[in-house]
Amino acid sequence: KAGVTQTPRYLIKTRGQQVTLSCSPISGHRSVSWYQQTPGQGLQFLFEYFSETQRNKGNFPGRFSGRQFSNSRSEMNVSTLELGDSALYLCASSRSSPDSPLHFGNGTRLTVT
Amino acid sequence: AQSVTQLDSQVPVFEEAPVELRCNYSSSVSVYLFWYVQYPNQGLQLLLKYLSGSTLVKGINGFEAEFNKSQTSFHLRKPSVHISDTAEYFCAVSAQVDQTGANNLFFGTGTRLTVIP
Repeated sequence: KAGVTQTPRYLIKTRGQQVTLSCSPISGHRSVSWYQQTPGQGLQFLFEYFSETQRNKGNFPGRFSGRQFSNSRSEMNVSTLELGDSALYLCASSRSSPDSPLHFGNGTRLTVT
Repeated sequence: AQSVTQLDSQVPVFEEAPVELRCNYSSSVSVYLFWYVQYPNQGLQLLLKYLSGSTLVKGINGFEAEFNKSQTSFHLRKPSVHISDTAEYFCAVSAQVDQTGANNLFFGTGTRLTVIP
């Protein structure tokens, strides 16, 4: 069974640009969550999508947005990039039940210069 | 709401020595508990989980954890570590009461385990 796939693995952008990251969940998983990981802040929850609807949201500005498609694949978008957006962005999928663990992809390393 | 505290941000240990990574949680409802491991430049991988039943849970790579409800702890242990165990370890908790299935997983800040040859 294929795991969670995130593309691209690495990305370098300039301040003010926008970026789109992609995540393909494990087959059969309908929930997709996104996290930002930085050395200073650790793992921070961005949002969760389920059946193409945002079900849960963390405390991030509106520059961070996402969507989910009918095949459960998800994208997240960051507009007007800032230096502080440099981070590892992790996507995780699950079966969406309280006892089902998250399965993570290897992440996209975003560097903003 | 739930919260997780990992008291040790870094734990150095010699190869073949035992290790314990501490995790305490706070919750007003029953919880599910998880330990994840993150190797450099990778995502998080599930090590083990406690859902119900036996309080001693065995996971992959020889790790185990014990759920202690009275002390609200879920410490991770390994009797003999290898160099390959060097990684970041995250404890996480979710509430059982939320049956919607929404992601309510709270992560600790992580413990960096460094195994010294």
